[in-house]
Amino acid sequence: GAGVSQSPSNKVTEKGKDVELRCDPISGHTALYWYRQRLGQGLEFLIYFQGNSAPDKSGLPSDRFSAERTGESVSTLTIQRTQQEDSAVYLCASSLGGRDTEAFFGQGTRLTVV
Amino acid sequence: QQQVKQSPQSLIVQKGGIPIINCAYENTAFDYFPWYQQFPGKGPALLIAIRPDVSEKKEGRFTISFNKSAKQFSLHIMDSQPGDSATYFCAANNQAGTALIFGKGTTLSVSS
Repeated sequence: GAGVSQSPSNKVTEKGKDVELRCDPISGHTALYWYRQRLGQGLEFLIYFQGNSAPDKSGLPSDRFSAERTGESVSTLTIQRTQQEDSAVYLCASSLGGRDTEAFFGQGTRLTVV
Repeated sequence: QQQVKQSPQSLIVQKGGIPIINCAYENTAFDYFPWYQQFPGKGPALLIAIRPDVSEKKEGRFTISFNKSAKQFSLHIMDSQPGDSATYFCAANNQAGTALIFGKGTTLSVSS
């Protein structure tokens, strides 16, 4: 595709429910990242995928958060038993990989937990 | 050690002014320092990036100054315009050369 695509663009869920957020990276990009951006805050790193290597999960805030990626394609971020503090914009980015290649971001999924 | 500290949190300048945004890091293994620009409702987009083997890089009206010994780098916007009003994030790649670590952002407002 032309850019990184995320869906849904907005999600409202009840506290305690599970949610799945989807990211379609740019074709050919081997690296994929998930970040969380709380209102007025910076980008908090969650997880990183690079090709077939084991993902870097060091940023996941709790075991309620998990992510999967099949090959070099779509990724899903799952949040189980959502809490109000999970409300944020979840941003996905992809890149060609390597230490200093440009990361292209999607527009994000705005998650609201009520 | 994995943090990137950014200041100020917000900045207001008049059109034509030169806003300066500063960032500092501790991890000497960081070796790639990009700046991202984010408009409301959009994802961040790469603006300009620098590696520590140079002290300055210019792209149009945007300049990065890098001080390796002080572990600091800054973004200068020359002849700022109202269209530059956005949130700016500095970042650095982490020790494993994987995901970017971002500062908390600076919201810039350029008044006409």
